[in-house]
Amino acid sequence: DAGVIQSPRHEVTEMGQEVTLRCKPISGHDYLFWYRQTMMRGLELLIYFNNNVPIDDSGMPEDRFSAKMPNASFSTLKIQPSEPRDSAVYFCASSPGQGYTGELFFGEGSRLTVL
Amino acid sequence: AQRVTQPEKLLSVFKGAPVELKCNYSYSGSPELFWYVQYSRQRLQLLLRHISRESIKGFTADLNKGETSFHLKKPFAQEEDSAMYYCALNSGGSNYKLTFGKGTLLTVNP
Repeated sequence: DAGVIQSPRHEVTEMGQEVTLRCKPISGHDYLFWYRQTMMRGLELLIYFNNNVPIDDSGMPEDRFSAKMPNASFSTLKIQPSEPRDSAVYFCASSPGQGYTGELFFGEGSRLTVL
Repeated sequence: AQRVTQPEKLLSVFKGAPVELKCNYSYSGSPELFWYVQYSRQRLQLLLRHISRESIKGFTADLNKGETSFHLKKPFAQEEDSAMYYCALNSGGSNYKLTFGKGTLLTVNP
């Protein structure tokens, strides 16, 4: 398995543009998480899904952020409109449901720069 | 609310010296604590979990409920230990949500 796959790896966009980040979890994993990493705030959980259903989105900053998981192998995080303060590395992670041990499997991250 | 505090953003030691990365948590129940590590140009990955009471790459961490701490220790640091270290807390049970500290960047100098 190639692990959690995220795209794009790097995105540079201008303020006001729509940004879509994509994630493919590890096959068979029931949980999918979106985290944001910044120097000031570290790693923050934005939202997580269980079996494609959003369970906790309390970390989503505001209405400009939305996340979907249309099927077990794909999720998107969308920012519309984007702002410079959204610049960060966005990580997707997945974990199995059964036998959960607290281990999350992270993707390589998508580095977003909003100018 | 659960919170994880890593008081040191940066920690620099010499090879062969002992190293301790501090982690304090705030949670009223019985949490599960973890250390994650991110080496340069690699993915964030689990280093160890407190329930396993294991030593990984020479690192150990003991959960001290009285002091609400979960410090990561290694008696003799190696250059390859240089990385970003994150302490994380899970409130346990069926809760799959991990709360991370802000991380400590460890540099081991030759």
